[in-house]
Amino acid sequence: DQQVKQNSPSLSVQEGRISILNCDYTNSMFDYFLWYKKYPAEGPTFLISISSIKDKNEDGRFTVFLNKSAKHLSLHIVPSQPGDSAVYFCAASFTMFSGGYNKLIFGAGTRLAVHP
Amino acid sequence: SAVISQKPSRDICQRGTSLTIQCQVDSQVTMMFWYRQQPGQSLTLIATANQGSEATYESGFVIDKFPISRPNLTFSTLTVSNMSPEDSSIYLCSAETRNEQFFGPGTRLTVL
Repeated sequence: DQQVKQNSPSLSVQEGRISILNCDYTNSMFDYFLWYKKYPAEGPTFLISISSIKDKNEDGRFTVFLNKSAKHLSLHIVPSQPGDSAVYFCAASFTMFSGGYNKLIFGAGTRLAVHP
Repeated sequence: SAVISQKPSRDICQRGTSLTIQCQVDSQVTMMFWYRQQPGQSLTLIATANQGSEATYESGFVIDKFPISRPNLTFSTLTVSNMSPEDSSIYLCSAETRNEQFFGPGTRLTVL
């Protein structure tokens, strides 16, 4: 059962335009959502997150939107740059109260290619 | 933030053998995690390693196949035992600090 889904395996965008990466989830218990960026031969690096009590979080060129009723979140990158070319993973978590840590459930990733 | 290193970065192993992957964090952390990323798939949590206690395994993963050690607050190992070609994956460790998870670069394992 895939609780976090990224239905687009790849996305191609021209430099300067907006990139929109989408993510859907099924578990209403998730209370925190994250986006990670991964370059080849490197581990994922944290990009931006959003708590379930918000519907938008912005950090420079990156904005994450959360629609809880639709169980959908999206990452907007504007303007897109060639250095943004990477695989982007959506992740959702809920606090494991018994252990006190956040268990992350990842989507399969979307490969973004930004062309000059 | 935390800087995480893994050894080896990649390996090619024969069926039936075992490989131990090391993970080193540059600061003391309570929680460390081991993930697997099979080709074209998402990162899947194998187990959570808390220093001083036995690792907690996710559904579908067992200690006999993936024994984990966590001897101190900066180090952990994952062993992939009795390997088969289906174990070919990228194995990543991560550590949680200040409610954020940082990942190592991964170990790319190919089993022939």
